[in-house]
Order: sequence, then C-alpha cells, then structure tokens
Amino acid sequence: DVKVTQSSRYLVKRTGEKVFLECVQDMDHENMFWYRQDPGLGLRLIYFSYDVKMKEKGDIPEGYSVSREKKERFSLILESASTNQTSMYLCASSRGGVISNEQFFGPGTRLTVL
Amino acid sequence: GENVEQHPSTLSVQEGDSAVIKCTYSDSASNYFPWYKQELGKRPQLIIDIRSNVGEKKDQRIAVTLNKTAKHFSLHITETQPEDSAVYFCAAQGRNYGQNFVFGPGTRLSVLP
Repeated sequence: DVKVTQSSRYLVKRTGEKVFLECVQDMDHENMFWYRQDPGLGLRLIYFSYDVKMKEKGDIPEGYSVSREKKERFSLILESASTNQTSMYLCASSRGGVISNEQFFGPGTRLTVL
Repeated sequence: GENVEQHPSTLSVQEGDSAVIKCTYSDSASNYFPWYKQELGKRPQLIIDIRSNVGEKKDQRIAVTLNKTAKHFSLHITETQPEDSAVYFCAAQGRNYGQNFVFGPGTRLSVLP
C-alpha cells in the first residue's frame, strides 16, 4: 500500500517568512509532484521531479522552489511567504516509466499566511 | 500546453439516479485520462482511468468514455449512493512524456437521499 506523508496538516506563517513543506513516500517512486489546490481552480502543478536532484517547473512555479536530495523526499520551499500563497498544498508520487501512471497523494498541508 | 475544462461545476442528483461529468482537453497527443475522487477533508484518490487505445472502461457502477476525435471524455456513475458525494477531478497528460497531469477544476457531486 502506497504511503505518501506530509510534514504538517496545518501551518500558519507570517508574510516574509521562509516556509518548508516536506513530503515523503515509501514506495520507491521515481516521480514526485507538488500541487496547490484552490476552490474552483482544481489542482495546479507547482513543480515536479523525475529523479534525485532533478526538478522541472510546473504551471505556477513563481514564488516557489523545490529540493530533492533523496529519492523518497521532496520539499517545497516558499522563499518569502505572501498572503496569496495561502492554500492547500498536496504532494503526490508515481512510478516512473514511458507510460503515465497513477499518482498517489498525500493528505495535504493547509497553509495560512498572515 | 494542455488545458482541461470540466462541467458542471456542481451537480445534485437523487439517490439511485445517474450522474455524468464531462471534460474536454486541448492537446491531441494526450493519451491517458484519470479520474480522481476527493471526499471532504481527504486526499484525492484514483477511481478509474482510460488510455486512448480504448473508447470505454467500466468498473462496477463507474464508467468512463473517451472520444479522441472530439477530445472529450466523461465519467458516468449509475445507481448513485450517498457515499458518492465528493469532488471529482478529471485529468489529462501534461508535457514531459505524460508523467504529469493537468487537472480540471472539479465537480462537486451531491447525492440527495
């Protein structure tokens, strides 16, 4: 059974703070993803990674960076948090390969920036 | 890049009736289309998916149909039950060999007893 965990369920930060969101998966998946979920907008891809130390921008990367130093861990970093980054953040992972595979999601982190 | 539209945004049905959610996509190269269900306060979970080499796939009360020519696909839920109440997201492949998805905005389905 695939397990994707995120470091916090709820987080409250102040404008300008540096914020770290962590995601860990235990199924040896090659791919990992960070999404933000906002009402009426669905899930929008921020960044993804196909391998250790590899990262690719998604559709809304501005204001975010990522780190993948180990295969099982993918971190999302908000360098200087702003109020418009208040959102639900979801991490996901999937097997690698030439065909698309199911993505497994973590429980989400609800971030509030004051 | 890929763009996915989804309709309706909200849907209410009586228990036992059928529900249909429709999605359109823009990139004709996309060939994988998953559907995710997200119950209140929970993570999205895959309920069914379809690849472009088939036109229809069924799993008990859930079916998905795909029309590649028209670039649209639909989720059909028959004999709806209260536990089907959730937000449903369709998705299509994004760029980069299709390992990332572009999601639709979601449909909130309410099944009324």
